[in-house]
Parts: sequence; structure tokens; C-alpha cells
Amino acid sequence: EVQLVESGGGLVQPGGSLRLSCAASGFTFSSYEMNWVRQAPGRGLEWVSYIDSSGSTMYHADSVKGRFTISRDNAKSSLHLQMNSLRAEDTAFYYCARATYYHDTGAYGMDVWGQGTTVTVSS
Amino acid sequence: EIVLTQSPGTLSLSPGERATLSCRASQSVSSNYLAWYQQKPGQAPRLLIFGASSRATGIPDRISGSGSGTDFTLTVSRLEPEDFAVYYCQQYGSSPFTFGQGTKLEIK
Repeated sequence: EVQLVESGGGLVQPGGSLRLSCAASGFTFSSYEMNWVRQAPGRGLEWVSYIDSSGSTMYHADSVKGRFTISRDNAKSSLHLQMNSLRAEDTAFYYCARATYYHDTGAYGMDVWGQGTTVTVSS
Repeated sequence: EIVLTQSPGTLSLSPGERATLSCRASQSVSSNYLAWYQQKPGQAPRLLIFGASSRATGIPDRISGSGSGTDFTLTVSRLEPEDFAVYYCQQYGSSPFTFGQGTKLEIK
């Protein structure tokens, strides 16, 4: 079964750090681009970070640039998000999501999502 | 940054009716990089449409996508009870890979 399972969320004080992980199974992890997407309570989806299949190209949203770092370990089929200098506005549910390239159309879609992990930044 | 604006914010319809959701981009988006997602309370988002008009695996044909350039549309031709949810469009062509703010489809 194709699956993504996030972990590492929790309660942290402003200015603190957390490292989220996403364990992939049921597919060849090293062949896929991956993303982190978050959702603040009662709000919409916000894309956070992207990493290509080899781990050589990363992008981050302006709201987290310089504070968050996405990485992956293809040997362990795992995705990570190192979050430093956390702020109250980083409080959200964090999802990891697989991006699939559909060769017949040349299109992309985030077709597999984890169930998410909660990050709460509060004193 | 490409801003995606979805309208309406909330759409109130009855089962069996047709729903038309709009996603307008602040600059042109390649159709290959425009997707639609459905999210129900307490659940992760689910991919409905990729490439503006291709249905993802398991998505019924009453759900369709269309559009190009800056204007994209998601249509649900005959609403079923399970279709009432929040819908998001997203562009994946230019970082940051922005989402629209969502359209809530609610039962009238």
C-alpha cells in the first residue's frame, strides 16, 4: 500500500526548533518529488517546501525561507523538515505530499498525502 | 508569486445540481501545472484533477476540469452528498507553488 506517515510534531515555544519526518512506503521514494504543505487551524492550504527526487533542488515559501529546511534520505525513504526560529504563525497541521509526473500528459499532481502532524508554537 | 483567486468563497447547492468553481491566476499558468484538490473535515486533501483537465485515479466522470492561461474551472455535473467539501486549486509550475484560498461547497 502506498503510504506517507508524518511524525515529529508537538508543542514548542516561540524561537524553538522541531524536525518533522515523513516515512514513505509502497513506492519507489527516490523517483518522486516531495512537498510539505501546512494548514493553520480553520484556514486553507499553504505550500511550504519542495524537494526534487535527488535532493539537489529545494524551494521554500517566503514565509519560512531561512528558517525551514527540507531534506530527504532516499536510502531510508524518508522526508524531513527542519524548522528553526518557530513563530506562533507556524502553528498548523503539516502534511507531506508526493508529486507525481504523469508522462502521458506532462502534468503534475500531488497524488499521495500523509495524515499530517500537528505543530503548535506557544509559550 | 502567482496568486490564485477562487470564487465563489462559498457555494450553496442541492444534491443533483451542477456546481461550477472558478480559479483565476494573477499570471498565466501552464495547464500542465494546474491541479484541483478536495478536502473534507478531518481529512487530508485528495487530488481530483491534474493538468487542468485530467481526472486522478478513482475520480468519477461527473467531476471535470477545464481552462487555460489564467482562467480555470472545476465542474461537478450532478452533486452527490459526498461532494460537499472544500475545493482548492494549485499551481505547480512556478515556485512558490501556491494554492487558492478555497471554495466551500455546502448543502443548501
